[in-house]
Amino acid sequence: NAGVTQTPKFQVLKTGQSMTLQCAQDMNHNSMYWYRQDPGMGLRLIYYSASEGTTDKGEVPNGYNVSRLNKREFSLRLESAAPSQTSVYFCASSEVQVQGTRYGYTFGSGTRLTVV
Amino acid sequence: ILNVEQSPQSLHVQEGDSTNFTCSFPSSNFYALHWYRWETAKSPEALFVMTLNGDEKKKGRISATLNTKEGYSYLYIKGSQPEDSATYLCAPNTSGTYKYIFGTGTRLKVLA
Repeated sequence: NAGVTQTPKFQVLKTGQSMTLQCAQDMNHNSMYWYRQDPGMGLRLIYYSASEGTTDKGEVPNGYNVSRLNKREFSLRLESAAPSQTSVYFCASSEVQVQGTRYGYTFGSGTRLTVV
Repeated sequence: ILNVEQSPQSLHVQEGDSTNFTCSFPSSNFYALHWYRWETAKSPEALFVMTLNGDEKKKGRISATLNTKEGYSYLYIKGSQPEDSATYLCAPNTSGTYKYIFGTGTRLKVLA
């Protein structure tokens, strides 16, 4: 079972370059999320997609855009990378959330991005 | 943005010791809380989803309790083993939306 697959695993960008992080899940989950992990901080939500066709901003959306391409895929784009975007990025998915959701998130293995 | 606090930040215990950590969150408008286990170089894995005040969940030697009225959850590990070494994250949802806010975690190291 693949679960949540993220690509690439590692990337080095120069300031101002653009790139897209890819995420795909094979669990038929409706909701997908992008988080970033920085030292000394909890996972912070960048964007999420409650269902196919919808996206919403999280805590730290500035400098990012997302696309929910279909139910399986949710991509994160950095249009003009900045050193402050050096981080580890995690994609996650979950079943449709209602009050008292029964299941947690399934996370991908992460993308370590360095912007120089 | 709600304030999620986990304590302690890190913890070293001897193999066989029992231990517990705390997750504190604002008690208003509570929907659910997740606990995750995050091993180094891996991705977080869900341990428990807790929804009701007074909930108690158990998986092997790990258990968790929830008090939504006072805004805290405890995670207990009985008879810690080296393989329990990981960072334990809690993520409450008190917004009624799709946003779970993650704490910074408790880093547990079990010494053999």
